Amino acid sequence: VQLVQSGAEVKKPGASVKISCKFSGYTFTDYYIHWVQQAPGKGLEWMGLVDPEDGETIYAAKFQGRVTITADTSTDTGYMELSSLRSEDTAVYYCATGIPNTFEYWGQGALVAVSS
Amino acid sequence: QSALTQPRSVSGSPGQPVTLSCTGTSSDVGGYNYVSWYQQLPGKAPKLLIYDVSKRPSGVPGRFSGSKSGNTASLTISGLQAEDEADYYCCSYAGSYTLVFGGGTKLTVL
Repeated sequence: VQLVQSGAEVKKPGASVKISCKFSGYTFTDYYIHWVQQAPGKGLEWMGLVDPEDGETIYAAKFQGRVTITADTSTDTGYMELSSLRSEDTAVYYCATGIPNTFEYWGQGALVAVSS
Repeated sequence: QSALTQPRSVSGSPGQPVTLSCTGTSSDVGGYNYVSWYQQLPGKAPKLLIYDVSKRPSGVPGRFSGSKSGNTASLTISGLQAEDEADYYCCSYAGSYTLVFGGGTKLTVL
């Protein structure tokens, strides 16, 4: 199983960023796709998930309204878009998947830097 | 959803056992048997160590074990090794398809 994420991004405050996560090695629709934020020197924070089978999403309250998580079954790729970026959104963003309620497989992480 | 509570740092000597705690509430840790533990080395993605409170994925050394009592989950490393020095995070299902992490514990091997 491999999860390969898109590269680092630099964005200005107020902009949006969309990160991709390409899945391989298992059936894409078997498991939910999660996104996890890790600010510099800080802990892990769950952002939300998408069920690739039907596109249903669940978001953490902290990110509700600013985050959009999607899954493209034609390319086995997951996406996380975060809008209205502010400096506190500077972080590494991970995609993860696997058995229920568990982050069994992880992407390598994608750094998003928000700076004017 | 409040983060689960983990001690910021724990230390131990090689060969000794060490236990990391993770305290939540009856709405997360205490309410479900879906606690998982992750090890994160500097600059790397987290790695799954324990899931469903006490199950160990293949490839994870047997010195790592998990348990839960009430609203507190624990990760025990029996026979601490130098390569176990890392950050450790717990995570729990919190209902309504949501998950919550602990703040993380930095484990130092003396």
